[in-house]
Amino acid sequence: AQSVSQHNHHVILSEAASLELGCNYSYGGTVNLFWYVQYPGQHLQLLLKYFSGDPLVKGIKGFEAEFIKSKFSFNLRKPSVQWSDTAEYFCAVNAPGSGNTGKLIFGQGTTLQVKP
Amino acid sequence: DAGVTQSPTHLIKTRGQQVTLRCSPKSGHDTVSWYQQALGQGPQFIFQYYEEEERQRGNFPDRFSGHQFPNYSSELNVNALLLGDSALYLCASSLESADNYGYTFGSGTRLTVV
Repeated sequence: AQSVSQHNHHVILSEAASLELGCNYSYGGTVNLFWYVQYPGQHLQLLLKYFSGDPLVKGIKGFEAEFIKSKFSFNLRKPSVQWSDTAEYFCAVNAPGSGNTGKLIFGQGTTLQVKP
Repeated sequence: DAGVTQSPTHLIKTRGQQVTLRCSPKSGHDTVSWYQQALGQGPQFIFQYYEEEERQRGNFPDRFSGHQFPNYSSELNVNALLLGDSALYLCASSLESADNYGYTFGSGTRLTVV
């Protein structure tokens, strides 16, 4: 069965620090990969996604993620965080061929707190 | 604005009761998925509805059931509530014919079982 593991449960950074959140998945086949963000009191929003092609994916708000197939990883990065990046971040996978609307398997999330 | 509307936003129920949660998908979307997000956890897939039928189901007991209406809106029903059912219930909509995995999530219904 597919699973997603996010190693950092709670991260505290100062503004302008660099961010890297780890995500590993277990699935033997090809996967689609996602990072979602949930700001306090708001709905889940898509940050970026990877289906195929260039393993370095750029998303909204200056975020990027790198897919490393050999490591089953899809880590999220941002060179310089802002206070407004304080939120919960979720990594998710689903299997292509399960349909455009196939189920997403989420990690347990990482809470990012950015100190001004 | 999430585009996906869920109601109610919060509710409190007693163990053993039944609850119905509602979801209106984003305009133009025809598929609705439901997720349960327990405190401190990521969302877990409950089931998905398309063309008024349950198409996929996660590892949830039969106490969890749903329905999709001709206007694509959906309901999630939970019978015989347990304390462990306390969670944020998320609805996500998408368009079956689109090829970009365009899920839109609602803000959720916070269910507390006492």
